[in-house]
Amino acid sequence: DTAVSQTPKYLVTQMGNDKSIKCEQNLGHDTMYWYKQDSKKFLKIMFSYNNKELIINETVPNRFSPKSPDKAHLNLHINSLELGDSAVYFCASSQDPGRVFGNTIYFGEGSWLTVV
Amino acid sequence: GNSVTQMEGPVTLSEEAFLTINCTYTATGYPSLFWYVQYPGEGLQLLLKATKADDKGSNKGFEATYRKETTSFHLEKGSVQVSDSAVYFCALIGGYNKLIFGAGTRLAVHP
Repeated sequence: DTAVSQTPKYLVTQMGNDKSIKCEQNLGHDTMYWYKQDSKKFLKIMFSYNNKELIINETVPNRFSPKSPDKAHLNLHINSLELGDSAVYFCASSQDPGRVFGNTIYFGEGSWLTVV
Repeated sequence: GNSVTQMEGPVTLSEEAFLTINCTYTATGYPSLFWYVQYPGEGLQLLLKATKADDKGSNKGFEATYRKETTSFHLEKGSVQVSDSAVYFCALIGGYNKLIFGAGTRLAVHP
């Protein structure tokens, strides 16, 4: 019973294409995130949403557009893919940080994106 | 700003050896601290956490103590196994519940 699930797990696509990664959590959390892990394993936040509202947008190119249809889903759409977008993208969720101190963030299994 | 520094890897050990992975942080206030683990080809899993000074987080034989005076959260395990081979990430919670990660330390355990 996967808590944070994302699809697809692997994606190979050509430069210039548009692709989406979907994420769903069944933990009843209010807040969801996208993190990016580069080829050197460095992890950095991209976006966070709380109850479908954008909270963090960490200077990500506007080719990346998150969409949260409801608080259990946060999808990531990427336009005009570039070679440098190749990375592992992690979806995550947590309880509302405004209500719960010392919040744990739970991660999905990652989506390995390769742009060729 | 907030930041996390952890020892560079790879760390290579024989099975049953003692493990320490150093982690220090810079932050305003007293953030919660975490260790996450990433096994080969897999996602990030929470290993342990501590929410205030002198708290000890523990899980699967791993321990880390939140040391305010040294701003550290070193990860230790008394006897590592081959199955512990993974990349370990130290992290703190910043503003807006943003996780700030260290660069990760790769651990390789040999039989």
